[in-house]
Amino acid sequence: GAVVSQHPSRVICKSGTSVKIECRSLDFQATTMFWYRQFPKQSLMLMATSNEGSKATYEQGVEKDKFLINHASLTLSTLTVTSAHPEDSSFYICSARIIPGSEAFFGQGTRLTVV
Amino acid sequence: DAKTTQPNSMESNEEEPVHLPCNHSTISGTDYIHWYRQLPSQGPEYVIHGLTSNVNNRMASLAIAEDRKSSTLILHRATLRDAAVYYCILRDGYGGSQGNLIFGKGTKLSVKP
Repeated sequence: GAVVSQHPSRVICKSGTSVKIECRSLDFQATTMFWYRQFPKQSLMLMATSNEGSKATYEQGVEKDKFLINHASLTLSTLTVTSAHPEDSSFYICSARIIPGSEAFFGQGTRLTVV
Repeated sequence: DAKTTQPNSMESNEEEPVHLPCNHSTISGTDYIHWYRQLPSQGPEYVIHGLTSNVNNRMASLAIAEDRKSSTLILHRATLRDAAVYYCILRDGYGGSQGNLIFGKGTKLSVKP
């Protein structure tokens, strides 16, 4: 089946630095990818929708200048957490679909810890 | 997307069937019923989806009520690897909201050996 790959799976960074997370669709093209965030013992919360070749659409309350999304190709979207703070520590997950409305494929997730 | 209601947690014994309920009384005619599960420290995984008729695949079965206001995910023989949080999600069949999924709290399934 289709595979979505995220990298890195875990990252620890110092407060004030930036971290880039990659999301790749390995065997299909994804014009749209989605970025979620999940805090401990909570459900996934949609952060933004990444559109190939255009600006991302952010959910209410998500700072677009802090969470930079780039979807430069049909198989790669990146999320950069800029000037990370401890409260940004979370599990970040991306997803993509082959066909809109069909099943979604999720990456393995990236555990970000800001110290 | 319409809202769903699931029990917070359920327990099952290994090798026994598990029925995970989901209520979606405000479902619209074009909403598909999707189920995903999330194992600890992993991204969600697609399980099954359906519109009106019951569905079967290698992972599970989906039983949909005649009025579509509720559904049940059936794991025929639970294994320890089925311990996860199971999410019931309604998705507009016309691909509304650009296709994103809205996750509720889901049901945490524990499987006892």
